[in-house]
Amino acid sequence: QSVLTQPPSVSGAPGQKVTISCTGSTSNIGADYDFHWYQQLPGTAPRLLIYDNNNRPSGVPDRFSGSKSGTSATLAITGLRAEDEADYYCQSHDGTFRVVIFGGGTKLTVL
Amino acid sequence: QVQLQESGPGLVKPSQTLSLTCTVSGGSITTGGYYWSWIRQPPGKGLEWIGHIYHNDDAFSNPSLETRVTILMDRSKNNFSLRLYTVTAADTAVYFCSRVSGGPYSGRFDPWGQGTLVTVSS
Repeated sequence: QSVLTQPPSVSGAPGQKVTISCTGSTSNIGADYDFHWYQQLPGTAPRLLIYDNNNRPSGVPDRFSGSKSGTSATLAITGLRAEDEADYYCQSHDGTFRVVIFGGGTKLTVL
Repeated sequence: QVQLQESGPGLVKPSQTLSLTCTVSGGSITTGGYYWSWIRQPPGKGLEWIGHIYHNDDAFSNPSLETRVTILMDRSKNNFSLRLYTVTAADTAVYFCSRVSGGPYSGRFDPWGQGTLVTVSS
């Protein structure tokens, strides 16, 4: 069981907006540690999607954005496309245990 | 552009030692400001951080694995390695190496190697 909780799955139709939540606690996201998001296409390595809460690496479309409220982080994807179908993971730091932590992952299905 | 590539045996017997190497190209592992990391993903499951090493040989490990993990750096070959001792079937996973920017626990992983599947079985 992950310290960061994500919904196992979300879905949306092409063109729609979806959000993926990552719920933590006061020892990680709520402690103002940076969080990051990764996209993992089937059979491939994860790819950095959002870093330091709401920054996009070069090459990541602005359809992807990150935000935070309290002890939760959110990844938003607008203008959903078929190629967005993948697993998405959040990542942060747990100050209590001095460990890098990942969320359990969310499978995005594009209907 | 930095690239990473994992290599090592794909099959390890229970109770033995898993040994993997990550070869880095397009950049030096001695460059300050980066940690060099191992992450694993059991089949069909999520990601688990194993540990990483800094250019000055400072090492950081997941408390759940630290008694069984050694991460070393070979500057002459521009690579770093993972050793996981006394493996069981629960250590079967795809093992990834990656570069970490930022702090040792709050930094971001980018780029990643393609990953290598290690199966623990007799």
